[in-house]
Amino acid sequence: GEDVEQSLFLSVREGDSSVINCTYTDSSSTYLYWYKQEPGAGLQLLTYIFSNMDMKQDQRLTVLLNKKDKHLSLRIADTQTGDSAIYFCAESKGFQKLVFGTGTRLLVSP
Amino acid sequence: GAVVSQHPSRVICKSGTSVKIECRSLDFQATTMFWYRQFPKQSLMLMATSNEGSKATYEQGVEKDKFLINHASLTLSTLTVASAHPEDSSFYICSARGSGVSTDTQYFGPGTRLTVL
Repeated sequence: GEDVEQSLFLSVREGDSSVINCTYTDSSSTYLYWYKQEPGAGLQLLTYIFSNMDMKQDQRLTVLLNKKDKHLSLRIADTQTGDSAIYFCAESKGFQKLVFGTGTRLLVSP
Repeated sequence: GAVVSQHPSRVICKSGTSVKIECRSLDFQATTMFWYRQFPKQSLMLMATSNEGSKATYEQGVEKDKFLINHASLTLSTLTVASAHPEDSSFYICSARGSGVSTDTQYFGPGTRLTVL
């Protein structure tokens, strides 16, 4: 079955790096995503990675994928107060449905 | 590009009434639209997948007679909550995937908060 797990909460200081972790069980996943959700809003796609990649960098965001351990992480460099939100990882097989993780609430303090 | 809108953003209704929520892709053609439900402090739960011009595919446990989905055009899908009750109160989010944008990804609307009194 499909199961995606995340730690519930992360607190960092402004300027530090944040690392949000995600584990999944479906080894046939082909795409893995990170979404950001601000209070009362929809989901904003931050980045995604193909399962045959092990790293992707996009400005302050770095995604690491360990396919053997089924572990995905999102690193946010120089975290800002505006980065405070809930972050969801998600996986899919091809164009099939997304399976979301439980969400990690990131709190950035000044 | 790849903007998805929802209307209304917030609706409050009395128990027993029906509520329609619209999801529109503004700058691309959405061949597939998805409807999700999110309870407070929880993750998103997929309710159904709809392809333009065909019947929606509902996830297990989702009542298709309760949550009516229509995807009549490539830019519009609607979710109607029939005879809403307080337990239907939730945040409903749609997403769309289609041609003209990256077909690998789903683009999400801003959500509709439904409160049933």
